[in-house]
Amino acid sequence: NAGVTQTPKFRILKIGQSMTLQCTQDMNHNYMYWYRQDPGMGLKLIYYSVGAGITDKGEVPNGYNVSRSTTEDFPLRLELAAPSQTSVYFCASSPRQSNSPLHFGNGTRLTVT
Amino acid sequence: DAKTTQPNSMESNEEEPVHLPCNHSTISGTDYIHWYRQLPSQGPEYVIHGLTSNVNNRMASLAIAEDRKSSTLILHRATLRDAAVYYCILRDGFGNEKLTFGTGTRLTIIP
Repeated sequence: NAGVTQTPKFRILKIGQSMTLQCTQDMNHNYMYWYRQDPGMGLKLIYYSVGAGITDKGEVPNGYNVSRSTTEDFPLRLELAAPSQTSVYFCASSPRQSNSPLHFGNGTRLTVT
Repeated sequence: DAKTTQPNSMESNEEEPVHLPCNHSTISGTDYIHWYRQLPSQGPEYVIHGLTSNVNNRMASLAIAEDRKSSTLILHRATLRDAAVYYCILRDGFGNEKLTFGTGTRLTIIP
């Protein structure tokens, strides 16, 4: 039972480069989320999705894009990496019911230099 | 517009109970109260949730005030492995999934 899988675990980008952070879940969850966590800070919601084909902005969406073509996958795209995007990124998924827990991946640590 | 407020940090002695408070004065009738914790260098993990009644599981207990405007996560006998950041969030029953976490409470366990 893999749960929520994020790849890569670590990445270093140069300013202006682009990359996609991958997130996949095998629990058939409708809802998926992307958070970022800066050092010593809490989690900030970037984007979320309530089902395939549906995405919505969170608290800090600028500089990111997402898509949700399948239930399992929710990739996060950085088009023009900036130092301010240096952070740890967590993906999470959940069933639809509000009394269900979120399941988090182990994170991707991204450094932009 | 934080929906929950928690103290930034707390300390507790090992093997003693810990009470972690959370205020959620604008909670609505259908909001579930969820608690998560984040161990160092890991993603958050689910701890417990409740709606109105107090809840117990193998990890912790959740005490919910009668007016539901506050709740307390109780670790009955803290161990060094409980040192983590604890987050309290609200999740409503109407599909509003813009779930915000805030900064949580950093719990330090003193040996």
